[in-house]
Amino acid sequence: GAVVSQHPSWVICKSGTSVKIECRSLDFQATTMFWYRQFPKQSLMLMATSNEGSKATYEQGVEKDKFLINHASLTLSTLTVTSAHPEDSSFYICSARDRETGRTEAFFGQGTRLTVV
Amino acid sequence: EDQVTQSPEALRLQEGESSSLNCSYTVSGLRGLFWYRQDPGKGPEFLFTLYSAGEEKEKERLKATLTKKESFLHITAPKPEDSATYLCAGSFGNEKLTFGTGTRLTIIP
Repeated sequence: GAVVSQHPSWVICKSGTSVKIECRSLDFQATTMFWYRQFPKQSLMLMATSNEGSKATYEQGVEKDKFLINHASLTLSTLTVTSAHPEDSSFYICSARDRETGRTEAFFGQGTRLTVV
Repeated sequence: EDQVTQSPEALRLQEGESSSLNCSYTVSGLRGLFWYRQDPGKGPEFLFTLYSAGEEKEKERLKATLTKKESFLHITAPKPEDSATYLCAGSFGNEKLTFGTGTRLTIIP
């Protein structure tokens, strides 16, 4: 299957600082990428849909000024958690869909464990 | 609101003991039903896509089936390495996936 690489795998940051997470599609072009967060023993909750060359679409209740998304190329989307607080600690996962092949399933990165102290 | 519900929440099986996981979904507008496996601390790994009632997909000890209102993930003669959380997700006419809460499967040697 297609490969999606997410970096870093884990990060610890101090409260009030910003953290950037990268999501790359390695062997296909992804015009659309998705960002999720997952709390322990809970399912994936979609945060936003990232479209190459345009503004991201955020789900209800997700602060767009806090979770900045940039999708500057067909293979890279970034999520920046600004002014992080302990309640932002979570598992963040990106996914991408290869629309050029017509495949509808999404392929996921390995996730980023964010801990804000 | 589109919904996907999985049951049971957790399942413990002896090695070799076959069983099924259930995923029910909002009936109207389903475009695709997806199954994923997720290991602790990892992102979901794609398993199957099902599009229409009656469709079946198979991979090793796993078989996914789809009816008009639910999907089943059958696991035959499971091994300890099959222990994971299994997620199902539905696509309802847009690019988004709506995930169920998952079934935590434990296979006891």
